[in-house]
Amino acid sequence: VVLTQTPPTLSATIGQSVSISCRSSQSLLDSDGDTYLNWLLQRPGQSPQLLIYSVSNLESGVPNRFSGSGSETDFTLKISGVEAEDLGVYYCMQATHAPLTFGSGTKLEIK
Amino acid sequence: QVQLKESGPGLVQPSQTLSLTCTVSGFSLTSYNVHWVRQPTGKGLEWMGVIWTGGSTDYNSALKSRLSISRDTSKSQVFLKMNSLQTEDIATYYCARDPGGVFDYWGQGVMVTVSS
Repeated sequence: VVLTQTPPTLSATIGQSVSISCRSSQSLLDSDGDTYLNWLLQRPGQSPQLLIYSVSNLESGVPNRFSGSGSETDFTLKISGVEAEDLGVYYCMQATHAPLTFGSGTKLEIK
Repeated sequence: QVQLKESGPGLVQPSQTLSLTCTVSGFSLTSYNVHWVRQPTGKGLEWMGVIWTGGSTDYNSALKSRLSISRDTSKSQVFLKMNSLQTEDIATYYCARDPGGVFDYWGQGVMVTVSS
């Protein structure tokens, strides 16, 4: 499964709302009814961290300015009011189909 | 608390075998799957393989012929072995915990260079 993320780079001012798209080459709806599309953030020099799982579920401890939506093949991560700590590379990843795959990443820069 | 920590040699000679260990704490390997993911410097993430709670494994087909993942549940350790290393294998290697379709905790990563 190929995950296509757009845009590859994003420049935002503090407080601006931004969206990142992740499109899958196949439906990510699993036979168990779940959709295993997750969003990760990798801050500079750090390991990736989980933000959103199963399309729209906010991981514990993640600020609620992050939200996820979508279904089947089209998914979106939205940041409502970017903060300085949000800079880094955002990845979508799917675990519905083997092998597990990642998007190519969206780099968020702060203006 | 949940922790994963990768360890192993930072330098491997070409054509030799890479051996990494992921030592976990705060959870049992019989309750959570553990994956290996690698990332060449400045590039994206590549899934390598997984050891499931029952001990079976699955691998990225591109690496399958060279890769082996195993574990020692008594020591809370997961092992990665990959042979015939080349410069294309230079990357940071991560292990990550999977409760089911998601990577909720990641290790800090270990950087591996291939050079003579």
